[in-house]
Amino acid sequence: AQRVTQPEKLLSVFKGAPVELKCNYSYSGSPELFWYVQYSRQRLQLLLRHISRESIKGFTADLNKGETSFHLKKPFAQEEDSAMYYCALFGGSRLTFGEGTQLTVNP
Amino acid sequence: GAVVSQHPSWVICKSGTSVKIECRSLDFQATTMFWYRQFPKQSLMLMATSNEGSKATYEQGVEKDKFLINHASLTLSTLTVTSAHPEDSSFYICSASVGDTQYFGPGTRLTVL
Repeated sequence: AQRVTQPEKLLSVFKGAPVELKCNYSYSGSPELFWYVQYSRQRLQLLLRHISRESIKGFTADLNKGETSFHLKKPFAQEEDSAMYYCALFGGSRLTFGEGTQLTVNP
Repeated sequence: GAVVSQHPSWVICKSGTSVKIECRSLDFQATTMFWYRQFPKQSLMLMATSNEGSKATYEQGVEKDKFLINHASLTLSTLTVTSAHPEDSSFYICSASVGDTQYFGPGTRLTVL
């Protein structure tokens, strides 16, 4: 069975502060991990995936197989980053989502 | 980019009636579409995987006779909630895959009175 855990339901930071959204996973195979974001009143959209090792909107995420983690980081949060963030694992032909973290960036 | 639409965006129905939700890939063909259900303040739960031209694969605990899925073409999958009851009220979201990336529809809010 595969499982994704996001321990923080809510995260609040001030503009310009660093932010880290935690994600841990459980999967017996080789995982493909993603971060999805849902801005207010918008659909879920892909933010980034671990295989591409890219930085999107200043966010990065590194897969740590030893710690089974895929934390999302941004050095300087912006107000427009306020949204719901979901970590997801693709395995066994399905995408499994974590419960999500609501990020609020205060001015 | 790949766009997925859903229709209707919201629907209210009486208990015992059936409701059909459409999911379309607008600018690409999708051999596989997925149906999710999301309760308030909870994550997306996969209900079923819809494959064009074949029967859908349902997740454990999802009643296939209650949630009928049809994927008749490469751009359209439908979810029919049969004999809907208030506990079926939820937010239903579809997605279509392109390679290893899933593109999501905007969701359909179903309220059963």
